[in-house]
Amino acid sequence: AQSVTQLDSQVPVFEEAPVELRCNYSSSVSVYLFWYVQYPNQGLQLLLKYLSGSTLVKGINGFEAEFNKSQTSFHLRKPSVHISDTAEYFCAVSVWEYGNKLVFGAGTILRVKS
Amino acid sequence: GAGVSQSPSNKVTEKGKDVELRCDPISGHTALYWYRQSLGQGLEFLIYFQGNSAPDKSGLPSDRFSAERTGGSVSTLTIQRTQQEDSAVYLCASSPRQGWYEQYFGPGTRLTVT
Repeated sequence: AQSVTQLDSQVPVFEEAPVELRCNYSSSVSVYLFWYVQYPNQGLQLLLKYLSGSTLVKGINGFEAEFNKSQTSFHLRKPSVHISDTAEYFCAVSVWEYGNKLVFGAGTILRVKS
Repeated sequence: GAGVSQSPSNKVTEKGKDVELRCDPISGHTALYWYRQSLGQGLEFLIYFQGNSAPDKSGLPSDRFSAERTGGSVSTLTIQRTQQEDSAVYLCASSPRQGWYEQYFGPGTRLTVT
């Protein structure tokens, strides 16, 4: 079975500062990796994904993530955050053989302060 | 184009009543997923439909939960004899055959059982 651990439940950061949201996963098979963002009272929006190839993936809104197979991590980064980035961020994994259903981490609330 | 839509957006029901939640996926998407988001359990997979194949019901928490997908499009999630622990946001997602890895989420239905 797959599992996802998001190490921080909340991350406060000042506007224009860099941020890293941490994600570790466990799986006995190869997985696909995703980061989703959820703004208040809205559904989930895909930020970025790793399927294969380059381990550094770039997504929307200036976010990027790096897949590290040896550390089983997929941390999300942004060099300079904005107030509008305040939201909850979810790391997720899926396995094609299991129908691509997503297994989510518990989420990290990013609070950007002015 | 139109995204995934869900109805109702909010549903309040009394314990013991049955409820039906509806999902309209993006036109042409072959896969449809239901997830549940609750304070205690986070985001969890419920059920998955892919084309004409038998659904993957492995995430349904009890036999009070069922879902169907008619004509390969609209899906209804039914909860019988609702309990207070069923209170949650129910999210629907769909994905295309091409680009199968990207799930597009609806805004969710917030279910409150009193």
